[in-house]
Amino acid sequence: AQSVTQLDSQVPVFEEAPVELRCNYSSSVSVYLFWYVQYPNQGLQLLLKYLSGSTLVESINGFEAEFNKSQTSFHLRKPSVHISDTAEYFCAVTGKSNQAGTALIFGKGTTLSVSS
Amino acid sequence: GAVVSQHPSWVICKSGTSVKIECRSLDFQATTMFWYRQFPKQSLMLMATSNEGSKATYEQGVEKDKFLINHASLTLSTLTVTSAHPEDSSFYICSARGTGVIGPQHFGDGTRLSIL
Repeated sequence: AQSVTQLDSQVPVFEEAPVELRCNYSSSVSVYLFWYVQYPNQGLQLLLKYLSGSTLVESINGFEAEFNKSQTSFHLRKPSVHISDTAEYFCAVTGKSNQAGTALIFGKGTTLSVSS
Repeated sequence: GAVVSQHPSWVICKSGTSVKIECRSLDFQATTMFWYRQFPKQSLMLMATSNEGSKATYEQGVEKDKFLINHASLTLSTLTVTSAHPEDSSFYICSARGTGVIGPQHFGDGTRLSIL
């Protein structure tokens, strides 16, 4: 079984400042990792994913996350945030050996609030 | 990208009413669909997993007679909240995954259910 811990429930930052949203996972098997973003009253949108290969993955809107196996982490970063990045961010994990019918396990989410 | 359509987006109804929520995968075949419930400011709680043509698997603590799930085709799953009461008010989100283990889950935009 897997579990996810998002260490910060809320992260307030000013516009154009860098940000890091932390995510740690626990698993007895190798994992796939995901970050999803949720805007108010909407479903989740996939932001980026780590499946294999390069441990640094990037999204089209400037976010990146790095898979660190030794620290069991998948922290999300952005060098300069915008007001529009204000949203709820969820880290999720699933075991590579899990069957296709196994749901993602989500962290409790981090609220990113960007102000001017 | 893959699109999951969820309908309706908002429902307000009287206590005792049954409410049906539809989840459709628009451009891929969803072999597995998931139903989540999300309380305000909290993460997604998996309610059940359904595979096309078979009975849904419910998570512990979720009443299968209260939350009826039907996954009759590879593009449609429905969640029916039977005899809904105010405590059933929540944000319900469906998710679909296509074939293969490593595919990410694609999410609908959610349904806000308010029981008066």
